[in-house]
Amino acid sequence: QQQVKQSPQSLIVQKGGISIINCAYENTAFDYFPWYQQFPGKGPALLIAIRPDVSEKKEGRFTISFNKSAKQFSLHIMDSQPGDSATYFCAASEAGGFKTIFGAGTRLFVKA
Amino acid sequence: DGGITQSPKYLFRKEGQNVTLSCEQNLNHDAMYWYRQDPGQGLRLIYYSQIVNDFQKGDIAEGYSVSREKKESFPLTVTSAQKNPTAFYLCASTGTGINYGYTFGSGTRLTVV
Repeated sequence: QQQVKQSPQSLIVQKGGISIINCAYENTAFDYFPWYQQFPGKGPALLIAIRPDVSEKKEGRFTISFNKSAKQFSLHIMDSQPGDSATYFCAASEAGGFKTIFGAGTRLFVKA
Repeated sequence: DGGITQSPKYLFRKEGQNVTLSCEQNLNHDAMYWYRQDPGQGLRLIYYSQIVNDFQKGDIAEGYSVSREKKESFPLTVTSAQKNPTAFYLCASTGTGINYGYTFGSGTRLTVV
């Protein structure tokens, strides 16, 4: 019940294409869903986050879509660029808690 | 600039040796965390601390110890009891509550030699 399942494990996209990464959760107490971007040898950095009271949040080329009834959320990267090549982690947090559950990560490679 | 500083960036440990990884933050964050990341894997929680002088075990605390004597500092000791310590270690912090997302340090890569 505490797991966050992320797919795909790896993804190759052409430059200019759309990258889509999906996550699913079970615990309905989660109420904060961030995405992190990690480059090799670096720590993850918060990219974008959403709360379940909205169905979509957009920041630049990055969009989170959230489906509360299906307990799923996804990251869409529009106009993907080689510089977007990184590992992306979804996560879920429980209100009032101090622990975050991370997905296993998706390695994205954008071909020039 | 505010952030989290982890040191050293690379660390080599001999068999049977204890080593300590440093984590310092100047973000005035209450909560701090240690995660372990193995190649191609996700993040696994080792320990976390909500306030000074208090900390809780995470999912993989065996073979590790921490202290939280100051709000800014949360060092992690990898003891000789940790049989497979080679990994990338990440320190993180959050402000009040969990809903502001984590700020991560740049990590320490520990290798057993």
